[in-house]
Amino acid sequence: DGGITQSPKYLFRKEGQNVTLSCEQNLNHDAMYWYRQDPGQGLRLIYYSQIVNDFQKGDIAEGYSVSREKKESFPLTVTSAQKNPTAFYLCASIETGLDTQYFGPGTRLTVL
Amino acid sequence: AQSVTQLDSQVPVFEEAPVELRCNYSSSVSVYLFWYVQYPNQGLQLLLKYLSGSTLVESINGFEAEFNKSQTSFHLRKPSVHISDTAEYFCAVSEGGKLIFGQGTELSVKP
Repeated sequence: DGGITQSPKYLFRKEGQNVTLSCEQNLNHDAMYWYRQDPGQGLRLIYYSQIVNDFQKGDIAEGYSVSREKKESFPLTVTSAQKNPTAFYLCASIETGLDTQYFGPGTRLTVL
Repeated sequence: AQSVTQLDSQVPVFEEAPVELRCNYSSSVSVYLFWYVQYPNQGLQLLLKYLSGSTLVESINGFEAEFNKSQTSFHLRKPSVHISDTAEYFCAVSEGGKLIFGQGTELSVKP
């Protein structure tokens, strides 16, 4: 089945530790996105990548980093510089020229 | 830049009653509009979208939304809701290949 996978579903980390969230898609989509979801704030764009080896900052990129070495993969690192990292993180992808973003199941990160 | 406002953060409704979830966006230029649904602890699923053509768009599970350019609105409606419609609903507008989301509306259907 084609789709987007995110792992793990739940992640716990101690304050001050970097953590990497995985996002993989087998849809052959060109563009991939990372969003952060907090209660009552909708989804906010962290980073996006429209082609391999290229990515752009979204609205709330501070404290996050990404890479796009392969078309299928777009991992997100939450660094210790992110002041409030506890949130639900969603990855999405879209085929260039089309209009609909497809979402993964999400990773809930809790920093203790 | 575009912005999206969902006018109600929570909408409680009884089963089989009609419901309307309101969404307004900021720009009157040509836009693509979307409604997504999110069940607890899951990702978002596309419910319906407006790209062009007929201003009334429908989903397979009975929801519909009407694009109103003059009022810059894209309200979501269903004539009779079911318990299983309980979820959070997000309105979004496409801008430069990115999606701008509203804050979400939590629909709670009670028996």
